[in-house]
Order: sequence, then C-alpha cells, then structure tokens
Amino acid sequence: QVQLVQSGAEVKKPGASVKVSCKTSGYTFTSYGISWVRQAPGQGLEWMGWISAYNGNTDFAQTLQGRVTMTTDTSTSTAYMDLRSLRSDDTAVYYCARESGYQFDYWGQGTQVTVSS
Amino acid sequence: SSELTQDPAVSVALGQTVRITCQGDSLRSYYASWYQQKPGQAPVLVIYGKNNRPSGIPDRFSGSSSGSTASLTITGAQAEDEADYYCNSRDTSGNYRVVFGGGTKLTVL
Repeated sequence: QVQLVQSGAEVKKPGASVKVSCKTSGYTFTSYGISWVRQAPGQGLEWMGWISAYNGNTDFAQTLQGRVTMTTDTSTSTAYMDLRSLRSDDTAVYYCARESGYQFDYWGQGTQVTVSS
Repeated sequence: SSELTQDPAVSVALGQTVRITCQGDSLRSYYASWYQQKPGQAPVLVIYGKNNRPSGIPDRFSGSSSGSTASLTITGAQAEDEADYYCNSRDTSGNYRVVFGGGTKLTVL
C-alpha cells in the first residue's frame, strides 16, 4: 500500500533552517510528483511547492521563493523540504503529499515544526 | 496568483444534504479537488476531477462545477462527516502552482 512517512517534530530558533523528510513506499517513486503543504495553528492549508521525482523540476509558492528548497533521493524514494531563515510564523505542521494528476491522493502524517527563541 | 473562496462554516442536520462551495477564477480552467480534514489528522482526498471518488470514499460524497464555482455535496450527512473541508485547484499563474481555499468547517447537528 502507498505510504508517506515523515520525519519527527523539530524545534528551531529564529533564523535557523529545518529539513523535513518524506519517505515513500508502495509505488514507483519517479512516476509521481511530491508537493509540500503546511498548516499554521488554527489556520488553513498552504501549498508550499512541488518537485518532480522524475527529473527534479520544482515550482514554489511566490511567498516562499528564495527560502525553500525541495530535493529527492530516488535511491531511497525519499523527498526532502528545506526551509531557511525561519521565523515565528513558519511554526506549522508540514505535510508531504503525492501528486497524481491535479490532486493530492496520499499524504504523510505531518511534521510539527516550532520556531521559538 | 489565484484565490479560492469558501464559506468559513456550514451546518447540516443529521441525514440531510449539504453543499459546500468554492469560488475562484482558476475553476474556469481547472477542476477542483476536495479534501476532508479531521482534528489532528492529515487531509484526505474525497473528490477529484469532474466527479471522482477515491477508493473507500462513500458515495454520499459528490462533486460538481459550474463556471467559477465548484461544489462538494454530501447527501445524507453522517456524524462522522463533521470536519474541515478544503478545495484546491491549479493556480493559473504557474505551471505546477496550486491554490487552496480557506476551508469550510462542517457541523453535523
């Protein structure tokens, strides 16, 4: 069965960076893209960006351009999201999701990232 | 970039039908997808494309679209349908960019 398993919770200080992993299984990794979505406390879903697991092409939300990097490791079927220069308003649950066509059909369990001094 | 607008909250009596709407210019070009999210859980895809349900989603969930408005209909709402519902679609400003609606809190009375 398709599974996306994310890394554990992180606590970071303002200005630091965080890297969240998303290990996939149960499907051909390079046949789908991975999007990252975050959700601040009590707020809605915010799309952060997308990476093609086939060729590494990316596209990011304009609000995060320059602070976010997305990569994949096809040898381990794992996607990574790196967010730099963290601020308090980056505190959120971060999700990876498999992109099938125009929809996100499988999601990771979420990773809590807390930014606090 | 595009925006999708949803009503913040909707309520429905147990067993009745409820429609949750999503409005935005991108919906004139792209179908909406709909996600259900319960507290403390990851979102779950419930409707995608013209009106498709993933395996395991009850057939009381259906989708439709007209012009710039997409709708999610729950026919015969159950207590377990109480959740937040989000729509999304491609953003017309970029090849792979996606936009989410603000979400609708559904209460089943």
